[in-house]
Amino acid sequence: EPEVTQTPSHQVTQMGQEVILRCVPISNHLYFYWYRQILGQKVEFLVSFYNNEISEKSEIFDDQFSVERPDGSNFTLKIRSTKLEDSAMYFCASSEGDRGNTEAFFGQGTRLTVV
Amino acid sequence: GDSVTQMEGPVTLSEEAFLTINCTYTATGYPSLFWYVQYPGEGLQLLLKATKADDKGSNKGFEATYRKETTSFHLEKGSVQVSDSAVYFCALLYNFNKFYFGSGTKLNVKP
Repeated sequence: EPEVTQTPSHQVTQMGQEVILRCVPISNHLYFYWYRQILGQKVEFLVSFYNNEISEKSEIFDDQFSVERPDGSNFTLKIRSTKLEDSAMYFCASSEGDRGNTEAFFGQGTRLTVV
Repeated sequence: GDSVTQMEGPVTLSEEAFLTINCTYTATGYPSLFWYVQYPGEGLQLLLKATKADDKGSNKGFEATYRKETTSFHLEKGSVQVSDSAVYFCALLYNFNKFYFGSGTKLNVKP
């Protein structure tokens, strides 16, 4: 069964450092997303991406964040200068279509710990 | 704005007990509704979904009915197992494929 894969599974970084979280969406999917889940809290939308550009982003997704699809298979989330409050589980997701009702498939997540 | 409210946990049940996890939503249009499950140490997995009013989603013995009149999508299972212990998230999908998740309900099932 096709799945979304994320690497690494756990990343520890020092405050102020840049991190790149990587995702390989399902191959025929067109929409890509990043969500995050701070420990014990709800899953929050960060950004959606379609046709090589951001289609929507939340207020969490400030100038410190960026996304890229560098090579047609990977989908990355970059945090330029990490803060302690960026510590969370980051989930990548992808979906097929644009009708707004299709299921999103989620990766296993990357746990980011900022120290 | 669009949002999802689900009952707080944790919910602790004995094996074979009946489960209900309440979920209500607020949306301006006609969203699709989902239940996702997160087992310990794992990511989010789709459990079931319903795309229009009165639809019933079902999977692995779990059911939820899309009730437009009460804006609800309560999750039920007639007889829970220890292996059902997980965190359950109600979610709404409306416009631009953006999910709104509830805060999650942790279920503990004891033998």
